[in-house]
Amino acid sequence: AQKITQTQPGMFVQEKEAVTLDCTYDTSDQSYGLFWYKQPSSGEMIFLIYQGSYDEQNATEGRYSLNFQKARKSANLVISASQLGDSAMYFCAMREGWGRDDKIIFGKGTRLHILP
Amino acid sequence: GAVVSQHPSRVICKSGTSVKIECRSLDFQATTMFWYRQFPKQSLMLMATSNEGSKATYEQGVEKDKFLINHASLTLSTLTVTSAHPEDSSFYICSAGRLAGAETQYFGPGTRLLVL
Repeated sequence: AQKITQTQPGMFVQEKEAVTLDCTYDTSDQSYGLFWYKQPSSGEMIFLIYQGSYDEQNATEGRYSLNFQKARKSANLVISASQLGDSAMYFCAMREGWGRDDKIIFGKGTRLHILP
Repeated sequence: GAVVSQHPSRVICKSGTSVKIECRSLDFQATTMFWYRQFPKQSLMLMATSNEGSKATYEQGVEKDKFLINHASLTLSTLTVTSAHPEDSSFYICSAGRLAGAETQYFGPGTRLLVL
């Protein structure tokens, strides 16, 4: 069964609009972490935001916020005031456990296109 | 911030040859590193967990004799693609966690392998 589900293979958004990228996850662990990464055409993986399963507040990092709904097992990424440079692949990922040695599993990704 | 490097960034080789890819954590020690493979327009697929001083842990479906992993020190893991074939052409990315309970994995810039 898929652990991380991203249902939007591609999205087109007008510049300056807000965009929500969907992510649902499946785990039976109580302790886990959720991540969003951005991958531009260069291939590098850029960490955007992290949410721990015990964090009560939604994580925010600048224009990025994570809409964490634990009961629904969803962790949507919200990008406010989108910019042309936001065009890239976005991956939702999950780590089951707290340690640095715990592996991270990625969703299939959403390709975001920001239109001028 | 933490930096993970990979070498080489690009490699082209003939079918049947072996290719070694290095992953280094430049400013921190990593007892565990992870190797991912990414085919064009697809997600990152975890291949194996590289453990310093012990054998790597391979994900289901990954041939351990094909993809040799050596974690010789706390800052270096190598992935050797043995007897490479065109279907091994892919983008290979490594990552490492910096601290126990770390919120992020630090990713290397990736290595593009093309097997002719």
